[in-house]
Amino acid sequence: AQSVAQPEDQVNVAEGNPLTVKCTYSVSGNPYLFWYVQYPNRGLQFLLKYITGDNLVKGSYGFEAEFNKSQTSFHLKKPSALVSDSALYFCAVRDSPITGGFKTIFGAGTRLFVKA
Amino acid sequence: NAGVTQTPKFRILKIGQSMTLQCTQDMNHNYMYWYRQDPGMGLKLIYYSVGAGITDKGEVPNGYNVSRSTTEDFPLRLELAAPSQTSVYFCASSSARREVEDTQYFGPGTRLTVL
Repeated sequence: AQSVAQPEDQVNVAEGNPLTVKCTYSVSGNPYLFWYVQYPNRGLQFLLKYITGDNLVKGSYGFEAEFNKSQTSFHLKKPSALVSDSALYFCAVRDSPITGGFKTIFGAGTRLFVKA
Repeated sequence: NAGVTQTPKFRILKIGQSMTLQCTQDMNHNYMYWYRQDPGMGLKLIYYSVGAGITDKGEVPNGYNVSRSTTEDFPLRLELAAPSQTSVYFCASSSARREVEDTQYFGPGTRLTVL
């Protein structure tokens, strides 16, 4: 069965420093990987996704993520954090339609706190 | 283009009461979903629909029902509210043009408390 893990409940980083939010996954077929962000009292917003191709995926607001098949990871990164990046970040995985069906599985979320 | 809208934003129910959470999308998406979000637990899929007239259970369907009579609307029904259903409920939709890519668009959520 497919699963996704976000090992850190919270990540703290100073403004201007690089940030990394970790995600590992488990699927039986080809993974389709997503990052979403949730600001307070809002729904989730799509940031970026990996479907196929280049392992480095660029998304909204200067975020990027690196797909690593051997480590089954899809860590979210940003070279220089902003206070406005403070939010709850969700990693999500979907298995290939042949083996995994239709459902997308979300991680528990990681709260990012950027200090000025 | 409003995207995905949900009503109400907040609701307090007594145990045993019923209610319907409304969800509407104006993006002509075939796929729609209902999730619940509990603290520290991420999102759990309750029900989903791949098109009008077609619905299926997700991970946590017990205590809920859905219908999909139109492409736009996907209401979630709670028949006998229980304290365990206290949560934030999110509706989402996605296009079926490339099913595997499944980028979902979320509504603002409904915060439900059952006392």
